[in-house]
Amino acid sequence: SQQGEEDPQALSIQEGENATMNCSYKTSINNLQWYRQNSGRGLVHLILIRSNEREKHSGRLRVTLDTSKKSSSLLITASRAADTASYFCATEIARTYKYIFGTGTRLKVLA
Amino acid sequence: DAGITQSPRYKITETGRQVTLMCHQTWSHSYMFWYRQDLGHGLRLIYYSAAADITDKGEVPDGYVVSRSKTENFPLTLESATRSQTSVYFCASSDRGRAGETQYFGPGTRLLVL
Repeated sequence: SQQGEEDPQALSIQEGENATMNCSYKTSINNLQWYRQNSGRGLVHLILIRSNEREKHSGRLRVTLDTSKKSSSLLITASRAADTASYFCATEIARTYKYIFGTGTRLKVLA
Repeated sequence: DAGITQSPRYKITETGRQVTLMCHQTWSHSYMFWYRQDLGHGLRLIYYSAAADITDKGEVPDGYVVSRSKTENFPLTLESATRSQTSVYFCASSDRGRAGETQYFGPGTRLLVL
């Protein structure tokens, strides 16, 4: 079964607004990563947070990780039309090199 | 400066035929991965490899075979294609030493099994 589940499945916001996506997982992890996929293309890495970290920032991205709740959130601030894409969380299962991806959140930013 | 490439980009085949999808990376990354992406399932790991001649099963390995005789290549073979293997296949590579755990993805191969 899928390790990561994203919520919401789809999100539509106005340009300039913030977008928040959530990811839940089931087992212990080494790290959690967020990727973006533009329609029909390969995935692009956005940010990585390790299991012993609680928050990370990268430009307009803010990621939090709560290992007690087995959940993470990705916040995109001041969204732009170019942020329109699908966003996936990926968890590296503890003590393995296996990654499990969630089903993704489709974000649409309206100009 | 090619990075990671996949070939073919599009493939149509018939049920029962053998199909090989190619993946090549120019970074000498140790780790390579094969995923399939289907609507409603996100990406699912088929096989991965930690180094040349070291491979392991992922989430959905049945019906697939991999090999890795050279670090830069990681071909995926569908021994006898089935309609349920119609999907988009992505290859990825990672170098845990220098670049951390970031995976770099190829552009994907769209496979249609008739």
